[in-house]
Amino acid sequence: ETGVTQTPRHLVMGMTNKKSLKCEQHLGHNAMYWYKQSAKKPLELMFVYSLEERVENNSVPSRFSPECPNSSHLFLHLHTLQPEDSALYLCASSQSPPGTAEETQYFGPGTRLLVL
Amino acid sequence: AQKVTQAQTEISVVEKEDVTLDCVYETRDTTYYLFWYKQPPSGELVFLIRRNSFDEQNEISGRYSWNFQKSTSSFNFTITASQVVDSAVYFCALSEGAQKLVFGQGTRLTINP
Repeated sequence: ETGVTQTPRHLVMGMTNKKSLKCEQHLGHNAMYWYKQSAKKPLELMFVYSLEERVENNSVPSRFSPECPNSSHLFLHLHTLQPEDSALYLCASSQSPPGTAEETQYFGPGTRLLVL
Repeated sequence: AQKVTQAQTEISVVEKEDVTLDCVYETRDTTYYLFWYKQPPSGELVFLIRRNSFDEQNEISGRYSWNFQKSTSSFNFTITASQVVDSAVYFCALSEGAQKLVFGQGTRLTINP
C-alpha cells in the first residue's frame, strides 16, 4: 500500500534558487509528514500536518516552508538553501491524526535533493 | 525519552542464508507500538509490520518473521532463505502515546548471489 507520490524524484539547485517539492497521497489519510534523511543520520521529522493544519514544526530553518492546501497534497517550498541541506526528503501520510501511537505511516519514494 | 538502537550498521550474507536484524528499544510507557520498514535503493520506505506492546506473539509472514520480547526490549526481524531482492536498508521504529515515530539508524542488508 504505497499510494504516496512525490515529485520531482531528483532535484539539483543552487543556493539562490527557489524550488518546491510536491507530495500527494491517494489513500484518503488525514495526516501528512515531511522527513529529512541525510547520510548516516536517522530520519528527522520536519513537519506534521493534521487535517491541513500544521501541528508540529521541529525547529526547522525558515528556508524550508511547508504548505498543505488540502488533505491530499503537501508541499515543501525551498529557498536559499545550503549545501548541508542536500538529502533525501520523504513525505508520509497516516490515517489517524498525529499523536495516535498506533498510526502507521506510509511513505512516498522521496525527492533526492542536491544543493550546489 | 524514546530511543531505538539498531546495533548492526551493515550485514552481508550469501543468498539462501537466514539473517536476523536486531532492534532494541527504550521506553517508559506501557503502551507503545513497534514498526519495521524496508528502504530499497529506490528510496521509498515500505511498511512491513506493526506490533503493539500487549501482543508478544511472534509473527510470521512468508520468509519474514518477527520476535518481540518485552523482557529484553527487543523486536528482532529474521529473513529466512534470503534473496537478492531482500537487499535494502531496514529500519525499526517506536511510537508511544502522543509521541511521533522514532526511527533507529537502520541496518544495511546486502544479499550476495
